Amino acid sequence: TQLLEQSPQFLSIQEGENLTVYCNSSSVFSSLQWYRQEPGEGPVLLVTVVTGGEVKKLKRLTFQFGDARKDSSLHITAAQPGDTGLYLCAGRGGSNYKLTFGKGTLLTVNP
Amino acid sequence: DARVTQTPRHKVTEMGQEVTMRCQPILGHNTVFWYRQTMMQGLELLAYFRNRAPLDDSGMPKDRFSAEMPDATLATLKIQPSEPRDSAVYFCASGLARGGRETQYFGPGTRLLVL
Repeated sequence: TQLLEQSPQFLSIQEGENLTVYCNSSSVFSSLQWYRQEPGEGPVLLVTVVTGGEVKKLKRLTFQFGDARKDSSLHITAAQPGDTGLYLCAGRGGSNYKLTFGKGTLLTVNP
Repeated sequence: DARVTQTPRHKVTEMGQEVTMRCQPILGHNTVFWYRQTMMQGLELLAYFRNRAPLDDSGMPKDRFSAEMPDATLATLKIQPSEPRDSAVYFCASGLARGGRETQYFGPGTRLLVL
C-alpha cells in the first residue's frame, strides 16, 4: 500500500510570511499532484510534477519533486489570506487512474 | 465554465435509511470517480468508472454501497442501509482518459451525516 504523509498537519501564519509544506513517501510515484481545497468545495488541481528533481512555479507557489520521486514540497512566498485552504498532495503509482492522497496541510493565513 | 455538479449538497438521515447521491460529470468526460473524505482517513477512492463501466470498486464496502452510471450524464452512489460511520463528505470527480495522467475535476461534494 502506497502512503503519502504530509507535514505539518496545521499551519497558521501571518500575511507576508513564507512557508513550506512537505509530502513524503517510501514509495516511488510516476507523477505527483498538488491540490488546494477551500471550505465546502472539492479539491482543485494546482500542478502535476513528473520528472525527478522537477521544479514548477505558479506565481508565488513553487513545487518541487524529489530526485527519487518519493517526495515533494510546496513553497509559498509572501503568503496572502487568499492562500488559506487545505493543501493535498496525491501520487500516481503503477495504474494510470488511481491517485493516493495525503491527508493534507491545513493552512491559515491571517491578515 | 464546465463543472461537476453533485446533489444533494447536504444530507442528514437516520441510521438504516437509504441514501442516494448524484453526480453529473463534465460533458465529454469519460471517467468518473467517487471519493469519501474524513478527517481520520483523508480522501479515499471508492469507485472508478470509464465509459460508464465500473473498473474499480475495491475501496467500496460491498455489502451496503453501490455505484452505477445509468447514462453518461449521471452517476449515482447509494448506501443502504446507512450507518453513523458513513458520515463523511462524498466527492465525485470526472476526467478524460487519454493514455494516462488524466486530470480529475472534483465536484463540490455531498456532506452526509447519519444519526
